Amino acid sequence: QKEVEQNSGPLSVPEGAIASLNCTYSDRGSQSFFWYRQYSGKSPELIMFIYSNGDKEDGRFTAQLNKASQYVSLLIRDSQPSDSATYLCAVNSFKTSYDKVIFGPGTSLSVIP
Amino acid sequence: SAVISQKPSRDICQRGTSLTIQCQVDSQVTMMFWYRQQPGQSLTLIATANQGSEATYESGFVIDKFPISRPNLTFSTLTVSNMSPEDSSIYLCSVLGRTYEQYFGPGTRLTVT
Repeated sequence: QKEVEQNSGPLSVPEGAIASLNCTYSDRGSQSFFWYRQYSGKSPELIMFIYSNGDKEDGRFTAQLNKASQYVSLLIRDSQPSDSATYLCAVNSFKTSYDKVIFGPGTSLSVIP
Repeated sequence: SAVISQKPSRDICQRGTSLTIQCQVDSQVTMMFWYRQQPGQSLTLIATANQGSEATYESGFVIDKFPISRPNLTFSTLTVSNMSPEDSSIYLCSVLGRTYEQYFGPGTRLTVT
């Protein structure tokens, strides 16, 4: 089992719809969870982080965390064509002697005008 | 957030040669990370570079192939040695924020012919 898994997509949604991106992780000891957005040819940029079970909202973005199910998701409301990008889920791993972030394979999102 | 610059932004190199990538941060940071992102793939951690100590390499990466220097708290270099076409990739440096979020440099796009 891979440490962080995501649906590779591509995920296509119409403009104005809700895009739902999902991520599962294997390390039950993980404490910190991140969503990054990466436009083609650019480096990843942080969108949100979440540490506690439940929902965290920031503008059109909502991160949801369920540690019991080892599941974290990102909802994008009122999707815009500018949201078209690859979304990377990242999880802190404390298995080694230092903090390390494990990235998932990413989900490609396409918002259709 | 940290502002990170990388040099060069891109390069085309011949097989068997070496390239040194520089990473400069606008503030002092303890840990710096080097990632590789191959075409269409997610981020793979190469090594963690702490100032004043040897870099810690991930499984599959060795110091002879990817020597790293970390002479101070704002600068690091990654050398890709004895390059082959399989080393063609984007190389990214990153630093850790206070809440374990990562900030990435713009990346170095390397093509080996």
